[in-house]
Amino acid sequence: SQTIHQWPATLVQPVGSPLSLECTVEGTSNPNLYWYRQAAGRGLQLLFYSVGIGQISSEVPQNLSASRPQDRQFILSSKKLLLSDSGFYLCAWRPMGSNYGYTFGSGTRLTVV
Amino acid sequence: GDSVTQMEGPVTLSEEAFLTINCTYTATGYPSLFWYVQYPGEGLQLLLKATKADDKGSNKGFEATYRKETTSFHLEKGSVQVSDSAVYFCALRTNTGNQFYFGTGTSLTVIP
Repeated sequence: SQTIHQWPATLVQPVGSPLSLECTVEGTSNPNLYWYRQAAGRGLQLLFYSVGIGQISSEVPQNLSASRPQDRQFILSSKKLLLSDSGFYLCAWRPMGSNYGYTFGSGTRLTVV
Repeated sequence: GDSVTQMEGPVTLSEEAFLTINCTYTATGYPSLFWYVQYPGEGLQLLLKATKADDKGSNKGFEATYRKETTSFHLEKGSVQVSDSAVYFCALRTNTGNQFYFGTGTSLTVIP
């Protein structure tokens, strides 16, 4: 069966520090991968998606970047965090070309202080 | 562009009350429609989906019918429980795109 792992679950980082959130999927190959952010009191915002290794599409210009070094690994990064980067970050995957809904990871709550 | 408009919350209901959370969409073509649920401290989980007009998705006592004529996908449950307290997101996936569009979420609190 397919599973998605996302870590860490919570993170408190000072302003200006770097960030690395990791997401891995097991039990499938060539998935579509996504990073979403849910800011406090707001809905989900798509940040990045990837349809293959090294292929990253950015939906919103911002202080973050994403990479997909392996087929089932998706990393969200920042060189210098801002206060506005605080939020709940969700990784998700979907089978390539399918009409299924997403399967989400358990999320990372990031607080920038 | 494609979008989802969802009833704003928060919604507070007594246990065993009837629940409706409205969702309407704007999309070209024939989207698939979804409801996701986010329990406190957790990520989103797929609750139910419908892939074509007049389909009814159902799960855990929740139902939603894909109404093309009214571009709606309202979520309903006949008798809510305290354990249903969560944030509910309506979403659509277009057949021409590679991404989902989510509503802003509706927070539901069920009190005993």
